[in-house]
Amino acid sequence: GENVEQHPSTLSVQEGDSAVIKCTYSDSASNYFPWYKQELGKRPQLIIDIRSNVGEKKDQRIAVTLNKTAKHFSLHITETQPEDSAVYFCAASKPGYSTLTFGKGTMLLVSP
Amino acid sequence: DGGITQSPKYLFRKEGQNVTLSCEQNLNHDAMYWYRQDPGQGLRLIYYSQIVNDFQKGDIAEGYSVSREKKESFPLTVTSAQKNPTAFYLCASKAGAAPNTGELFFGEGSRLTVL
Repeated sequence: GENVEQHPSTLSVQEGDSAVIKCTYSDSASNYFPWYKQELGKRPQLIIDIRSNVGEKKDQRIAVTLNKTAKHFSLHITETQPEDSAVYFCAASKPGYSTLTFGKGTMLLVSP
Repeated sequence: DGGITQSPKYLFRKEGQNVTLSCEQNLNHDAMYWYRQDPGQGLRLIYYSQIVNDFQKGDIAEGYSVSREKKESFPLTVTSAQKNPTAFYLCASKAGAAPNTGELFFGEGSRLTVL
């Protein structure tokens, strides 16, 4: 089955810095890659996703890039703010499957 | 107010007891999912259902059971056969049962502690 590796497990940055979280996947057939954010004590929520026919997608301060050849994708957050502090999960899904395989998560801490 | 509701929020259980976690959604979503969240382990899929009266095992189904008698309800039973049941359990739903599409909407979770 699919395996998703996520790094780093924790990331500390200063407010205003950029943050990058990387994920690799094992199954080259995977074609859908969402990112979920879980604030402390709250439910995970989708923040951005990308499909394999696109190399990059942006939404204000967040962006996701995908390298199909290398089978990795990354979340980029620019101008980080304290409210960006949360656990971020990447995930992957294959055609014909209605389930996601999640990475183990990255705890991002943004210090004022 | 549409959403997905899990109950109870906190639950304590003695070893050897079965316990059922409730998950109800009023979003008219076809697919529903149960995930287990442990520190440093991410979200691991226990069971999922794409349609009423049908469900499939996920990656860690042993020691758990589910039912899907109604579209809006997907309860999870943690049985005494589950060797390490203490965890945070998340229920989720998705609008379409079609594969590989759609946002997962999560409930607020149920924290189960086995004493």
